[in-house]
Amino acid sequence: EAGVTQFPSHSVIEKGQTVTLRCDPISGHDNLYWYRRVMGKEIKFLLHFVKESKQDESGMPNNRFLAERTGGTYSTLKVQPAELEDSGVYFCASSQGIGTAYGYTFGSGTRLTVV
Amino acid sequence: AQSVAQPEDQVNVAEGNPLTVKCTYSVSGNPYLFWYVQYPNRGLQFLLKYITGDNLVKGSYGFEAEFNKSQTSFHLKKPSALVSDSALYFCAVRPNQAGTALIFGKGTTLSVSS
Repeated sequence: EAGVTQFPSHSVIEKGQTVTLRCDPISGHDNLYWYRRVMGKEIKFLLHFVKESKQDESGMPNNRFLAERTGGTYSTLKVQPAELEDSGVYFCASSQGIGTAYGYTFGSGTRLTVV
Repeated sequence: AQSVAQPEDQVNVAEGNPLTVKCTYSVSGNPYLFWYVQYPNRGLQFLLKYITGDNLVKGSYGFEAEFNKSQTSFHLKKPSALVSDSALYFCAVRPNQAGTALIFGKGTTLSVSS
């Protein structure tokens, strides 16, 4: 089966610009998560979708970040306007269910650099 | 605040020697515990998890981890390191509460020399 796909793999943008990251989860996985790792620090949770609904968005840093999952398939994470501190690696993960029997499959991440 | 600590930024070990990557956590209740590995330009790959039961958990690539409830630790171990084990390792916990998000440590870079 195909894994979790994220693109672009790298993005370099200027401060103030807009960037949209995309995540395609494993087909049939209702649960989709976004995480972010700032250089050298912990990977931090951003939000969790169940199908098209936001189940938990407690980790979203501010209103410059907008996540969507229209139709419950792929998800996008838009940063507008981008700031320097938004630089980092953004990971997406999907899971078929939320019980302990289900694991999380992560994508390769999008490395965002804001200059 | 709930957190996961990986006290070592880097662990260096010679090939064939045993390795340990440390992880402690501060989470209420009985969390689920995970180890993930990231190779260059790859996503996070699942290594092993502890949910309940035997404190010694065996996972992929010959890795194992020992859960110690009194010390709130979940150290990753391997009896004999390989150069190909060189990668970035993350410990993570899922609090046994509402919500399914993982709390990660900072990561530990493992370097195995030949």
